[in-house]
Amino acid sequence: DAGVIQSPRHEVTEMGQEVTLRCKPISGHDYLFWYRQTMMRGLELLIYFNNNVPIDDSGMPEDRFSAKMPNASFSTLKIQPSEPRDSAVYFCASSYDRGEQYFGPGTRLTVT
Amino acid sequence: GENVEQHPSTLSVQEGDSAVIKCTYSDSASNYFPWYKQELGKGPQLIIDIRSNVGEKKDQRIAVTLNKTAKHFSLHITETQPEDSAVYFCAASVPGTYKYIFGTGTRLKVLA
Repeated sequence: DAGVIQSPRHEVTEMGQEVTLRCKPISGHDYLFWYRQTMMRGLELLIYFNNNVPIDDSGMPEDRFSAKMPNASFSTLKIQPSEPRDSAVYFCASSYDRGEQYFGPGTRLTVT
Repeated sequence: GENVEQHPSTLSVQEGDSAVIKCTYSDSASNYFPWYKQELGKGPQLIIDIRSNVGEKKDQRIAVTLNKTAKHFSLHITETQPEDSAVYFCAASVPGTYKYIFGTGTRLKVLA
């Protein structure tokens, strides 16, 4: 299996622009997680889905952030409008039946 | 809510020596404790985990111990090798959810 796939790997954008991060989980996995990693706050869970349904979005920082999972093989995390403090590495992870979480390689976002 | 503290933040050892990383958690109802290894430019990868009904688990050169009374758990790496150099994260499950709270990470350097 190719593992969790994330795109783009790097994104540089200007403040105020919309940013969309994409994730393809491992085939057959029924849980999908979005994490954010920064030096100041470490690794934080933003939201997770089970069978394409959002279960817990309490980690989403504010209304500028939204996540969708239209089908079992694709999810997006959108930031609109983006701000410099959103600069971070965003990870997607997936798992099967509450088992091991497999992380993708991450998207490094820089907002100038 | 659950809080996880991790020490030390950096650790340097000579090749062949042992390394120990310690974590404490706050919620006595937490029952699952995974450890992740993150190499530069990659996502975290699960290396070992332990559940609250077990006091110790070993996998080759890696072992984890759990003291439920004291609410702390530790990662032990023996016979360290240069390829063990990475950032290591501990995590604790949030009771009643499928969420983890991560520690702040330990940067391990194995000196050849």
